Amino acid sequence: AQTVTQSQPEMSVQEAETVTLSCTYDTSESDYYLFWYKQPPSRQMILVIRQEAYKQQNATENRFSVNFQKAAKSFSLKISDSQLGDAAMYFCAYRREYGNKLVFGAGTILRVKS
Amino acid sequence: DTEVTQTPKHLVMGMTNKKSLKCEQHMGHRAMYWYKQKAKKPPELMFVYSYEKLSINESVPSRFSPECPNSSLLNLHLHALQPEDSALYLCASSQILAETQYFGPGTRLLVL
Repeated sequence: AQTVTQSQPEMSVQEAETVTLSCTYDTSESDYYLFWYKQPPSRQMILVIRQEAYKQQNATENRFSVNFQKAAKSFSLKISDSQLGDAAMYFCAYRREYGNKLVFGAGTILRVKS
Repeated sequence: DTEVTQTPKHLVMGMTNKKSLKCEQHMGHRAMYWYKQKAKKPPELMFVYSYEKLSINESVPSRFSPECPNSSLLNLHLHALQPEDSALYLCASSQILAETQYFGPGTRLLVL
């Protein structure tokens, strides 16, 4: 069974600084998808970024980028120029290529200090 | 447009009540999902519908009854719930199974 581990229960970052959230996963599959979802206090889960395992290029969405290391089974999220609105719980998630289920990590609470 | 809507936003019910949660999407997605989320925990999958047919039931107690009357609408009927069922119930949809899921804002349920 696939598992996703987020080893940082909480992180803090100063506004305008950069922060990296860690995620590792375990799978025997070669093709799969990885996601970062953000859940602010309003509780809506928002897709931040998606990475296809067959793509070597790291995904980027504005201030959000990932460092995808397939051999190491690592998928970290970098947030540049952190803003107060980035404060949220961040979930890393895995899905097999043709799978129906998302496997979530335990989440990392990100606090942004002004 | 990646909007999934859920009603109501909040619901308080007694253990003998019957209530329903509603989820709607107009993105033409053919897969819809129900999740249960406890505070500070990741969402747990409950049900998956594909083309209006139940595809996955994650051994959810029968007091939760899903329904997909059409491709845009997903309901979750609640009956004889327990206080431990209090949680945030999230709906999600994807174009088809095995595609990126987009979540609604959730219904916060309190069972007294």
